[in-house]
Amino acid sequence: GQQLNQSPQSMFIQEGEDVSMNCTSSSIFNTWLWYKQEPGEGPVLLIALYKAGELTSNGRLTAQFGITRKDSFLNISASIPSDVGIYFCAGPPSGGYQKVTFGTGTKLQVIP
Amino acid sequence: EAQVTQNPRYLITVTGKKLTVTCSQNMNHEYMSWYRQDPGLGLRQIYYSMNVEVTDKGDVPEGYKVSRKEKRNFPLILESPSPNQTSLYFCASRDGQGYNSPLHFGNGTRLTVT
Repeated sequence: GQQLNQSPQSMFIQEGEDVSMNCTSSSIFNTWLWYKQEPGEGPVLLIALYKAGELTSNGRLTAQFGITRKDSFLNISASIPSDVGIYFCAGPPSGGYQKVTFGTGTKLQVIP
Repeated sequence: EAQVTQNPRYLITVTGKKLTVTCSQNMNHEYMSWYRQDPGLGLRQIYYSMNVEVTDKGDVPEGYKVSRKEKRNFPLILESPSPNQTSLYFCASRDGQGYNSPLHFGNGTRLTVT
């Protein structure tokens, strides 16, 4: 099936630092979604992107829909301890919205 | 409270012993789905259902069955579990209107097959 690759796989950062992560696909996506999973819980939607080149913010989070439609980026500014979790990109493969494919995840740990 | 409820949260079983993981949502959502989460592989879709009596395979359906007899329930059935099905399982639902409706996830079921 479709594979979404995320990098980095994991990262340790100091509180207050900015964070960048990305997601790439071998095929085109028409929608990019970013989810966060906190320990012991299911993922929760953070940001949704619907057009190539789109830049969308949600508080300290900013996500971009890549121009090629095969990638997306998530930035977190001024990280805080509650940013800890696993961040997933996701989306329905081009041509259908029934299947929602998730990426491999980026595990973020924040050192106070 | 709007939620997706999975049961049980933890399950340890032996190879070959049939089991069912239940999933129920109270949001009247048309779309429901099952995922498994494994380290380094992210979330992989097992089965999904667009509505009652309509189910389709996801990316990793082998060894699993589902049914959708009622809108609110979407059980995951492992007829003959094997150790490679040891994983963290999530049920999710969303409004059937499509891609701009977020998936709502349950809190997961951690399954161990020995």
